[in-house]
Amino acid sequence: EVQLLESGGGLVQPGGSLRLSCTASGFSISTYAMSWVRQAPGKGLEWVSSISSTAFTIYYADSVQGRFTISRDISKNMLYLQLDSLRAEDTAVYFCARAVPPHANYFDYWGQGALVTVSS
Amino acid sequence: QLVLTQSPSASASLGAAVKLTCTLSSGHKSYAVAWHQQQPGKGPRFLMKLNSDGSHTKGDGIPDRFSGSSSGAERYISISSLQSEDEADYYCQTWDTGNWVFGGGTRLTVL
Repeated sequence: EVQLLESGGGLVQPGGSLRLSCTASGFSISTYAMSWVRQAPGKGLEWVSSISSTAFTIYYADSVQGRFTISRDISKNMLYLQLDSLRAEDTAVYFCARAVPPHANYFDYWGQGALVTVSS
Repeated sequence: QLVLTQSPSASASLGAAVKLTCTLSSGHKSYAVAWHQQQPGKGPRFLMKLNSDGSHTKGDGIPDRFSGSSSGAERYISISSLQSEDEADYYCQTWDTGNWVFGGGTRLTVL
């Protein structure tokens, strides 16, 4: 059974940092592109970042480019999102999602989310 | 610019049918979309990938009550025999090189 479980959310001050983790089970992340998607309180879904199955290609939304870093550890089957220089508008639930090969153009499994609150 | 447009809300009665619409922006009417369901307080759930010709591939365990269709730039998801658990937000999603785009979502209320 495919499962994705996010962790690492919490309260952080503006300008601070946080690292989110996503533990994958039931499949190997080495064969799938993976993504992070966020949802601000009461708002819709917003794509944040994606990493290809080979990790050679990484994309970021303009809103987080230069502040967030996506990475993975194949040996642990885990996906990460490093959030730096956090702003109030980064407050959201962050979901990890698996993208469908070969083009990784949509997501077929999602986690339950991790809440990040940026506030002083 | 690749944009998906959805009506903010829809409603239908228990046991009835409903059809939700997602509209692709000009110049993108050949694009496929994916439909995702998000029940209150939960992570999204993949429902189906819907191609421009109306063919679709459903996610694991998605019942036959859910189906998809397409016409021009419109992508539809139809739900028959509405149940209380179908009350949720429904998002369409598509992709262009290095950019994954979501519609604003439609909140479906089951009366």
